[in-house]
Amino acid sequence: AQSVSQHNHHVILSEAASLELGCNYSYGGTVNLFWYVQYPGQHLQLLLKYFSGDPLVKGIKGFEAEFIKSKFSFNLRKPSVQWSDTAEYFCAVNAPGAGSYQLTFGKGTKLSVIP
Amino acid sequence: DAGVIQSPRHEVTEMGQEVTLRCKPISGHDYLFWYRQTMMRGLELLIYFNNNVPIDDSGMPEDRFSAKMPNASFSTLKIQPSEPRDSAVYFCASSQARAQAGDFRTQYFGPGTRLLVL
Repeated sequence: AQSVSQHNHHVILSEAASLELGCNYSYGGTVNLFWYVQYPGQHLQLLLKYFSGDPLVKGIKGFEAEFIKSKFSFNLRKPSVQWSDTAEYFCAVNAPGAGSYQLTFGKGTKLSVIP
Repeated sequence: DAGVIQSPRHEVTEMGQEVTLRCKPISGHDYLFWYRQTMMRGLELLIYFNNNVPIDDSGMPEDRFSAKMPNASFSTLKIQPSEPRDSAVYFCASSQARAQAGDFRTQYFGPGTRLLVL
């Protein structure tokens, strides 16, 4: 079964700082990768996803993520964060080769942006 | 589209009572997922359905939990009897297996039901 690791539990940044959140997964086959964001008190919303093609994926609100197959990683980046990016970020993986439609989520990384 | 709809949004009940959570998936989606989110365990998949049929319920914590999907537009998650450790936010999500390229297997989440069992 696949698993997802998000190494940072809580990240605190000042506005305009650059962001990189780590995500590693364990599965040897083809994967679909996702980043979801959960603003305080709200539900999960899709930020971006990778299915195939260009490993650099651009999502909403200026976020991007790079799939590095050799490192089993899908790190999330943003060059300049804003206070409104304060939220919890979840990485998730789906393994279509395993015939599964379920997502396996990481434990999440809480981002606090200080004005 | 209205998105995934869940009700109630908040539920406070006493230990031992039956709790029923409801979910309406996005129209046309053929997969429905129930998740539980707690501080301790994060986001856990409880059960998922395909075309109204339960596919994997290995995440259901115990027999007190049951889920049904009587038709393509409605699902329930029932806890009977409820216990304080069931307090959590319960999310429903749906996806479409035969979507256009790029949306395949993307899950869309509802607003969640915040359950507090006293």
